[in-house]
Formats: sequence, C-alpha cells, structure tokens
Amino acid sequence: GQNIDQPTEMTATEGAIVQINCTYQTSGFNGLFWYQQHAGEAPTFLSYNVLDGLEEKGRFSSFLSRSKGYSYLLLKELQMKDSASYLCAVRKGGSYIPTFGRGTSLIVHP
Amino acid sequence: EAQVTQNPRYLITVTGKKLTVTCSQNMNHEYMSWYRQDPGLGLRQIYYSMNVEVTDKGDVPEGYKVSRKEKRNFPLILESPSPNQTSLYFCASNAGGQSYNEQFFGPGTRLTVL
Repeated sequence: GQNIDQPTEMTATEGAIVQINCTYQTSGFNGLFWYQQHAGEAPTFLSYNVLDGLEEKGRFSSFLSRSKGYSYLLLKELQMKDSASYLCAVRKGGSYIPTFGRGTSLIVHP
Repeated sequence: EAQVTQNPRYLITVTGKKLTVTCSQNMNHEYMSWYRQDPGLGLRQIYYSMNVEVTDKGDVPEGYKVSRKEKRNFPLILESPSPNQTSLYFCASNAGGQSYNEQFFGPGTRLTVL
C-alpha cells in the first residue's frame, strides 16, 4: 500500500515563503503530484515530479528526493489567495491514478 | 472547453433511496475515478476505471457501484444510501501513457443522506 504524510495545518504571513513537506512510502514509484484546493472547490494541478530535484513554476516550486521518500512544495511571495489546502499525491509503479495524502491547510494572514 | 462535469451538484436524500451521480468528461481520457472527501480524511478513492468495461475498487468501495459503458461517462451508484455516505464527492479523469497526465476534477457533488 501507500502511506503519505503531510502536516495538517500551517500558517504564514503575506509576502513570506512557506515550505509544505510530504513524506511517502510506496511499492514502486511513478510520480508525485501537488494539487491546490480552495474550500468547497475541486483540486487543481500545481506540479509533478518524477525525477529527483527541483521544478520551478513561477511562485511555486516542488522538490523530490526519491531515495528519502520526500517532497516539498515551496510557495514564495505569499498572497492571501494562497490560503487553501495543498494535497500531495503519489502514483505507484504501474498505475496511472495517484493516492492522495490528507492535505495541508495553509492559512495566510496579513 | 476541456472539462469534467458532475450532476447533481447538491443532493439531500433519505436512507435507502437509490441514487446516481453522473460524471462525464470530454477529453477522451482512458482513466476515470471517484473520490469522497471528508474533514480530516482527505481524498479517498472509491472506484476507478482504466477504460470501457474495466473498473476496480479503490480504498473505500463498500456501499457504492460504478459502471463504464462509454468512455466519457462514469456514473456512481448508491443502491441504498446511508448517513455515513454523507460527503463531498469528486469525479476525476486523466489520460494514460508515460507522461505526467494530471487528473482533472469535476466540480464536486455534496451529498447529504438523512
């Protein structure tokens, strides 16, 4: 099976940088996703990592270390609209559908 | 516009009254999934389908049925709903292949079973 852990809640200040961690254990590995989900809305895709290293996309970056079973999502220049849940999802080998962690609720305050 | 649609968006029903939540995608995706989302538990997979007439159980399939008679549609059926199936339900679809192929989610269906 798969075991995905991420913090339940984090708070940060507008304009700051925040790092949301995700650790996972899986039989085989076929990619890690990060999704953003605002309250009551559908998740939307943020990033995908399948090789080790950092992927940067504007204010958001995602890092992966396959040997450590570890990823993080880095959000820079935080804005109030970044207040949302951030979902880590892992796709195991041979599968095209990921399993989701419980999500991290990020609260950005002025 | 590429999208996943679900209907209804909101439903209040009573215990034991059969219901179906429809899901349709217009992206010709092979893979479709149903999730339920409950506070503190995250997104949990109910059923998924890898193509027409190919379905399999996810992590929480009890009390649910699905069918995939056409590629674009993947309805979720609750034969005899119970209050513990009160939840927010999401349908999702994605392509196969070796690239990342992220999931596209429908807008969600908020179900209350009294």
